[in-house]
Amino acid sequence: GAVVSQHPSRVICKSGTSVKIECRSLDFQATTMFWYRQFPKQSLMLMATSNEGSKATYEQGVEKDKFLINHASLTLSTLTVTSAHPEDSSFYICSAPGLDHNEQFFGPGTRLTVL
Amino acid sequence: DQQVKQNSPSLSVQEGRISILNCDYTNSMFDYFLWYKKYPAEGPTFLISISSIKDKNEDGRFTVFLNKSAKHLSLHIVPSQPGDSAVYFCAAKGTGTASKLTFGTGTRLQVTL
Repeated sequence: GAVVSQHPSRVICKSGTSVKIECRSLDFQATTMFWYRQFPKQSLMLMATSNEGSKATYEQGVEKDKFLINHASLTLSTLTVTSAHPEDSSFYICSAPGLDHNEQFFGPGTRLTVL
Repeated sequence: DQQVKQNSPSLSVQEGRISILNCDYTNSMFDYFLWYKKYPAEGPTFLISISSIKDKNEDGRFTVFLNKSAKHLSLHIVPSQPGDSAVYFCAAKGTGTASKLTFGTGTRLQVTL
């Protein structure tokens, strides 16, 4: 199947700083990518849909000014958590649909810890 | 509003026996369903899926059953193996939602020796 990578896999930062997470489709192009967040022992919650060349679409309750998404190319989407706070500590996962839009390939996730 | 629910947070099954994981949904616009397996600190791995036009799909040890009238699906794993121990999520997708998935709450499966 298709491969999606994320970088970094783990990041620890101080409160108030910004953190950028990269999501790459390695062997296919993705005009759309999805960003999810998972709190411990909870479900994966869709945060936003990243669209190449246009603005991201955010789910209800997700602050677009806090979670900046940039989909600059067909293989790269970035999520920037701005002015991070301890409550933003979570596991962030991206995904991209395959040629069959019913398929979706997930990255390995990024563990963010805000001190 | 949890549109996809997995009412059993955990399940323990002996090796060799059948594991049955259940999932219920409320949105009648969902037309495609998927099961993912997930280990801690890793992304979900796709297992098997089913379209709403079918009621069963089988792939090796994994079979998914869909009961549209009851808005219920289940994943059967037989025989269960210790390597199957993980958290299993069901997910649903609606028509024309550009692959947007709604995930269930997950069931932790423990396969014991």
